[in-house]
Amino acid sequence: DAGITQSPRHKVTETGTPVTLRCHQTENHRYMYWYRQDPGHGLRLIHYSYGVKDTDKGEVSDGYSVSRSKTEDFLLTLESATSSQTSVYFCAISEGTANEKLFFGSGTQLSVL
Amino acid sequence: GESVGLHLPTLSVQEGDNSIINCAYSNSASDYFIWYKQESGKGPQFIIDIRSNMDKRQGQRVTVLLNKTVKHLSLQIAATQPGDSAVYFCAPREGAGNMLTFGGGTRLMVKP
Repeated sequence: DAGITQSPRHKVTETGTPVTLRCHQTENHRYMYWYRQDPGHGLRLIHYSYGVKDTDKGEVSDGYSVSRSKTEDFLLTLESATSSQTSVYFCAISEGTANEKLFFGSGTQLSVL
Repeated sequence: GESVGLHLPTLSVQEGDNSIINCAYSNSASDYFIWYKQESGKGPQFIIDIRSNMDKRQGQRVTVLLNKTVKHLSLQIAATQPGDSAVYFCAPREGAGNMLTFGGGTRLMVKP
């Protein structure tokens, strides 16, 4: 998957607990993205980053925060997980221009009970 | 064709036949489009992209056609193989912030 590693691959957690998902890339691409995928909604953008310490909100950012302290790592944090955040989370990267030729990781299945 | 609703359209084709998967988009200002393939349990896989200044682009066994007049894209897969079975979706770049918009996709089933 284009040098993208997501961890963990699966996680079950309880409502109200903090959760951090990690995306690691070995491509040295500038742009990184976090999406969630739910039945009937397709992929929806949560947050994205256009460089180290440069991030911005996407379509469904409420309840999520992100950090990018190194080019290769983009972290997604659910400060207090809710059942509505049960989803499959995908990280994506792109190189030269924002929102072109995105390559996706294998995903993290998160279940919030 | 492509749908963003709850029901995933399904296209069933015979192995060796050509497949055509359709996608309608809503914003005439969309300037760039990507097609993805997603197999069960995996992340979306980039297939091919096309800019709005083109009508057609070809890749290996795939062709994308863009009709800006009616805001329609199609992905043609030649000599469809069992490994082509997956969900396919297009992603136009549109709207505020020039973000990609993903629909629900079309499921392609290849009969041996």
